[in-house]
Amino acid sequence: QQQVKQSPQSLIVQKGGISIINCAYENTAFDYFPWYQQFPGKGPALLIAIRPDVSEKKEGRFTISFNKSAKQFSLHIMDSQPGDSATYFCAASSPGTASKLTFGTGTRLQVTL
Amino acid sequence: GAGVSQTPSNKVTEKGKYVELRCDPISGHTALYWYRQSLGQGPEFLIYFQGTGAADDSGLPNDRFFAVRPEGSVSTLKIQRTERGDSAVYLCASSFAGGSPTTGELFFGEGSRLTVL
Repeated sequence: QQQVKQSPQSLIVQKGGISIINCAYENTAFDYFPWYQQFPGKGPALLIAIRPDVSEKKEGRFTISFNKSAKQFSLHIMDSQPGDSATYFCAASSPGTASKLTFGTGTRLQVTL
Repeated sequence: GAGVSQTPSNKVTEKGKYVELRCDPISGHTALYWYRQSLGQGPEFLIYFQGTGAADDSGLPNDRFFAVRPEGSVSTLKIQRTERGDSAVYLCASSFAGGSPTTGELFFGEGSRLTVL
């Protein structure tokens, strides 16, 4: 059962553009929604995370938008740079389950010059 | 060490063989996790340790998979009678605390790539 659905599978954005990745979840018990960035040959690294008591969180060029009623959340990367080219994973976890994360299938982002 | 260390980085084995994958977490991190990442997929939870004990092993696919953390630091993931479907990258992660996801950011290692021929 895929509890977190992520789209698109791949994304090509020009330098300076906005990258948008979307996720939808099914389990209403989820209360923590992180985004991880993974470069080839490396482990995932936490980028930004949100809890459902806020609708938006911004850290530098990265913003999470959260829609609790629609059970959707998205990552926006402003002023995308070639160094942002990586695979991005959304994830979710439930209260009391520590960091037992359910990950999406990933979005491969390529930022072109 | 500075980060989570996993060995070996690559392991090629034959179907039916036994494999051990090692994880050395960040010093001071009490929580340790094993995830499995198949090609083109997101990481999939396997098991979580808080200290020496396995607090949640619900993600282990079957009884061929076993993990230990005898002294609350280094952990070993053990796979018996390997099958071709076990081929994946096995990721280890650690965090300061296991009780709250908002305070326990996961720090992942680079993974051990297992190939079963």
